[in-house]
Amino acid sequence: DTGVSQDPRHKITKRGQNVTFRCDPISEHNRLYWYRQTLGQGPEFLTYFQNEAQLEKSRLLSDRFSAERPKGSFSTLEIQRTEQGDSAMYLCASSSSGRGAADTQYFGPGTRLTVL
Amino acid sequence: AQSVTQLDSQVPVFEEAPVELRCNYSSSVSVYLFWYVQYPNQGLQLLLKYLSGSTLVESINGFEAEFNKSQTSFHLRKPSVHISDTAEYFCAVAFSGGYNKLIFGAGTRLAVHP
Repeated sequence: DTGVSQDPRHKITKRGQNVTFRCDPISEHNRLYWYRQTLGQGPEFLTYFQNEAQLEKSRLLSDRFSAERPKGSFSTLEIQRTEQGDSAMYLCASSSSGRGAADTQYFGPGTRLTVL
Repeated sequence: AQSVTQLDSQVPVFEEAPVELRCNYSSSVSVYLFWYVQYPNQGLQLLLKYLSGSTLVESINGFEAEFNKSQTSFHLRKPSVHISDTAEYFCAVAFSGGYNKLIFGAGTRLAVHP
């Protein structure tokens, strides 16, 4: 299966620690997205890459958050000095460019972060 | 501001009954519309989408949704549900004009009872 994969699936950390999540998109997809989903809510957009370029960032992405996509392949999302409010499911999605906003985004299983 | 509203947070229904999950959006530009489904302990999966053309779109497992531009709605329907349809359903929109992000509704939990 060549779907979107995310690692780790679960992460428990103490407040103030740094965490890093990884996303491997579908191999031929050049677009990659990060979303955050809290309990009882739909996913909220965080950031978007086309190849290695980060083209859009949500205001939800504070200075403690940083995302990279070196070489336009896998991506990492780092949260520094975690806070309890960062507890959420972090979702990664990928798509191939073609129809712009009409591209179907394929989602990974998510990384569930719990900040104690 | 652009937004998506799913009017029902939970919809309980008996097996083989029809169901409608409601979705409304607000936008001043053209939109593309999606329904995603999230089964327990699984990731989001695309159920169906409207890009252009016929306003009625169908999925392979019997769901359909109709784009109504005048009412800015994209309600999801199924004439006869199964236990296996129990899941969380999310309506999402993408806006034309260069934006690639999806704006999601809060989700509707469909619970099918025997």
